[in-house]
Amino acid sequence: GENVEQHPSTLSVQEGDSAVIKCTYSDSASNYFPWYKQELGKRPQLIIDIRSNVGEKKDQRIAVTLNKTAKHFSLHITETQPEDSAVYFCAARPGPGGYQKVTFGIGTKLQVIP
Amino acid sequence: DGGITQSPKYLFRKEGQNVTLSCEQNLNHDAMYWYRQDPGQGLRLIYYSQIVNDFQKGDIAEGYSVSREKKESFPLTVTSAQKNPTAFYLCASRTTPGQGTGTGELFFGEGSRLTVL
Repeated sequence: GENVEQHPSTLSVQEGDSAVIKCTYSDSASNYFPWYKQELGKRPQLIIDIRSNVGEKKDQRIAVTLNKTAKHFSLHITETQPEDSAVYFCAARPGPGGYQKVTFGIGTKLQVIP
Repeated sequence: DGGITQSPKYLFRKEGQNVTLSCEQNLNHDAMYWYRQDPGQGLRLIYYSQIVNDFQKGDIAEGYSVSREKKESFPLTVTSAQKNPTAFYLCASRTTPGQGTGTGELFFGEGSRLTVL
């Protein structure tokens, strides 16, 4: 089955700096890679995603990159703000057809220091 | 107002008791999932269901059971066989391929925190 590894588990950055979180996956059948943000005491919510036919996707201060060959994808947050402090989860899911199991990484606790 | 609702929010259980966590969605989603969240271990999949009357074991199904008799509902029973049930449980749903437009993003409930006394 799919195995998603995520690192680092904790990350502290100064406000305004960039943050990078990295994930690797094992199943070459995975073709959809979402990132979720979970603020303290709240439910996880999707912030950005990427499909395997795309190498990079941006949405304002956040971007995700995907290297299919290396089975590696990353989340980049630029100009970090205190409200970016949260736990971030990467995930992988196979393409259409078959059972749609969604596998998550262990999460990265990001702290943005004002 | 569409969404996914979990209940109860907090639940205390004595050892040896079964408990059932409720998950209801009115998003018309086919697929539903149960995850367990423990500190430092991320979201681990317990069970998932892609359609009514069908469900699959996830990575940590032992000691848990589910049913999917209605599209809207996917209750999780934590049985006495679950050795370490104290955790935060998250239910989620999503669209499936062919079910309209959308990325297939997971929509999560607010979670249920189970504590075994």
